Amino acid sequence: KAGVTQTPRYLIKTRGQQVTLSCSPISGHRSVSWYQQTPGQGLQFLFEYFSETQRNKGNFPGRFSGRQFSNSRSEMNVSTLELGDSALYLCASSLDEGMNPEAFFGQGTRLTVV
Amino acid sequence: DQQVKQNSPSLSVQEGRISILNCDYTNSMFDYFLWYKKYPAEGPTFLISISSIKDKNEDGRFTVFLNKSAKHLSLHIVPSQPGDSAVYFCAASAGVLGGGNKLTFGTGTQLKVEL
Repeated sequence: KAGVTQTPRYLIKTRGQQVTLSCSPISGHRSVSWYQQTPGQGLQFLFEYFSETQRNKGNFPGRFSGRQFSNSRSEMNVSTLELGDSALYLCASSLDEGMNPEAFFGQGTRLTVV
Repeated sequence: DQQVKQNSPSLSVQEGRISILNCDYTNSMFDYFLWYKKYPAEGPTFLISISSIKDKNEDGRFTVFLNKSAKHLSLHIVPSQPGDSAVYFCAASAGVLGGGNKLTFGTGTQLKVEL
């Protein structure tokens, strides 16, 4: 069974630009979550999508947005990039059955803002 | 407000000995706990989890213990192997009551297993 696939693996963008990251979850998984990892803040929850709806949202500005498609694939978008947005962005998928929130992560997209 | 805390940023153990990684939490709504292992520039790898209705869960060399009254959990690795060297994250979920699959992570513990 294929794991969580994130594209691209690496990105370099300029301040003020926007970026779109993509995530394909494990087949059959309906929940997709996004996390930001930085050296100073650790792993921070961005948002979760389930059945094309945002179900949960972390404490990030509105420049960070996402969406989920009918095949459960998800994208996240960051507009008006700032230097502080440089981070490893991780996507996680969950089966979402009952009370089990076990999440499986992709390898991440390393975003560098210059 | 750090709701999940891993107070030891690093731990060094000898190969073959036991590694004990600790995690404390403050939110009483957390009802499911997970441990992840992470290498640099890669995504976390799920190791083991435990529901709040249990106090112990075992999977091979990995055992997680949960003490709800103390709001404390620990991961035991026995025996430790050099390949276990990585950063270990504790994570917690408030499950259905908390809405969705949001995981709150600790800051991680760097484990180094020495020969």
